[in-house]
Amino acid sequence: QKEVEQNSGPLSVPEGAIASLNCTYSDRGSQSFFWYRQYSGKSPELIMFIYSNGDKEDGRFTAQLNKASQYVSLLIRDSQPSDSATYLCAVDTGRRALTFGSGTRLQVQP
Amino acid sequence: DAGVIQSPRHEVTEMGQEVTLRCKPISGHNSLFWYRQTMMRGLELLIYFNNNVPIDDSGMPEDRFSAKMPNASFSTLKIQPSEPRDSAVYFCASSFSPGELFFGEGSRLTVL
Repeated sequence: QKEVEQNSGPLSVPEGAIASLNCTYSDRGSQSFFWYRQYSGKSPELIMFIYSNGDKEDGRFTAQLNKASQYVSLLIRDSQPSDSATYLCAVDTGRRALTFGSGTRLQVQP
Repeated sequence: DAGVIQSPRHEVTEMGQEVTLRCKPISGHNSLFWYRQTMMRGLELLIYFNNNVPIDDSGMPEDRFSAKMPNASFSTLKIQPSEPRDSAVYFCASSFSPGELFFGEGSRLTVL
């Protein structure tokens, strides 16, 4: 079992819709969770992090964490073509550096 | 701030040659990470340093790989001898807060 699992996609949504990206992790001791966005040919950039169960909102982005289910998600409201990218879920177990999932490719159709 | 600076951006070399990748972290960041990204394996941690000291090198594939951080503003990742399977994009990242990584633009390595 991979430490951090994501559906590779592509996830295709129409412009203006809500995009829902999901991630599961295997280490119950994981303490903090991060979402990075990577445009094609570019480096990853941090867009959100969440430490506590529940929701955390930042503009059009909402991160959701359920530690009991070992599940993290990222919702993007009012999706725009400029949101088309690969979204990487990353987990900090507290024992070593971030472990990244393989990413979900999001395509927002105009 | 200029961000994390990596060089070279692109490197094409022949199998058996030595490759040295360089990284200048963001000033004031106390952690530095080397990751490798391929289509098959995604983004993998190779090694990370905290305050210039290697903390976890369990991701370094084998003895052909070595990394150093002689001071707070410079790190190198060396592959000797290089092999075709080392072809990947190598990212350096630095951080001040745990998990909040700032990545360089990457070094794309092709080993023929």
